[in-house]
This record gives sequence, C-alpha cells and structure tokens, in this order.
Amino acid sequence: NAGVMQNPRHLVRRRGQEARLRCSPMKGHSHVYWYRQLPEEGLKFMVYLQKENIIDESGMPKERFSAEFPKEGPSILRIQQVVRGDSAAYFCASSPVGRATGELFFGEGSRLTVL
Amino acid sequence: GESVGLHLPTLSVQEGDNSIINCAYSNSASDYFIWYKQESGKGPQFIIDIRSNMDKRQGQRVTVLLNKTVKHLSLQIAATQPGDSAVYFCAENNGNNRLAFGKGNQVVVIP
Repeated sequence: NAGVMQNPRHLVRRRGQEARLRCSPMKGHSHVYWYRQLPEEGLKFMVYLQKENIIDESGMPKERFSAEFPKEGPSILRIQQVVRGDSAAYFCASSPVGRATGELFFGEGSRLTVL
Repeated sequence: GESVGLHLPTLSVQEGDNSIINCAYSNSASDYFIWYKQESGKGPQFIIDIRSNMDKRQGQRVTVLLNKTVKHLSLQIAATQPGDSAVYFCAENNGNNRLAFGKGNQVVVIP
C-alpha cells in the first residue's frame, strides 16, 4: 500500500513563473490537506479538500494560490507568479475520514525554490 | 521551548538515556494533540496522540503528558536510540484536521 505520493520532490522556478505541485493520497483516502513549511519552522495549514470540494481554505493566501482535488487524478496545489517568499517545503497529507483522527499520513514534500 | 531566531532548541541526549521534549500550546479549546517526528528531508511521521480528557498516554517507548491547566504537552522517549534523532513537533487539532504545529525541537542522540 503506497503512501502519500508527492511530485516533484524538488522544483526550481524563477520569479513570475507558475508552480504546480501534485499529491496522490493513500489508497482509500478521500481527504487531502496541504501544509507549508518554512525553514526551521513548523508546518502551517493551507487547505483541506475532499474529492471535487474545498472544505477549508482558511490558511491559503488570498492571491496567487489555488488548490483542487478532481474526481480523477491527484490533488494539485498551484502557485501563480511565484515570488521568493514562496520558497518552502509543501507537504500533502491524507486521511480516510475528515474528523479529527490525528493520524494524518504525510508525503515526503515538494521543495520549491524561487530564484 | 521557544525558538530563538532561526535556530531550533536542541536537546542532546546520550544513547540509552531518556529524552523529554516540551511544548506549550495556545488554544485552550483544543481537544486533540499529536506529536510528530520529522527526519531531515522527510515528511512528518505520527508518533502518538492524546485527547484532552486524558492526561497521559503511553506507546512503545514513548509517553505523552498533557497538562491543560498550564497548556503544556510533553513527550518522553525511553532509552533513546540513534534513530530517534530528528525534529519533534507538537500539534493541536483545531478542527477539520487543521493542525497548528509548534516550532519544533531538535533531538540529537550521541552514540
């Protein structure tokens, strides 16, 4: 049973370009969460999605960031017109149910570097 | 403990000794707390959790203590091993699995 799969593991973009990060949840999980981690800090919640629905986007920046979790395929975190401050590790997690199970299963992360 | 600038508080512990990592949380309404371990270049890994109606919970070599009066959480690791070297984060669940992570504590195990 494969874990949460994220790709790319490393992504380099120049300022103004777009970054797309993909996340395939664990098999049987329909709840996906995106978190961002700056160097030597804890993870910050961004967004919680179920298939085709955004449940909670209270941690998403109001501009340039969007997320989706289509009926088929992986969840996508999209960052438009990236700036240096977007450089971070972006982690995806999944769970089988949306209630507070505690045991979110995290992927290995996608590390975005903006030049 | 609190991080200072960009440096994580670090606990250096001799292999075989016990480790204690502390965490202060902010939301008195939180009812669910989790400890995660993160190794360099990897994602967080679940260690143990505890609900607010408990004050202690034990796992394999780990114990979590919760003091709601002072909003304090601790993780005890028995007989620390080299594989325990990592950054440890406490997190509180603010609903919808919207976890609020602490700043982390680096544990370095000295062989």
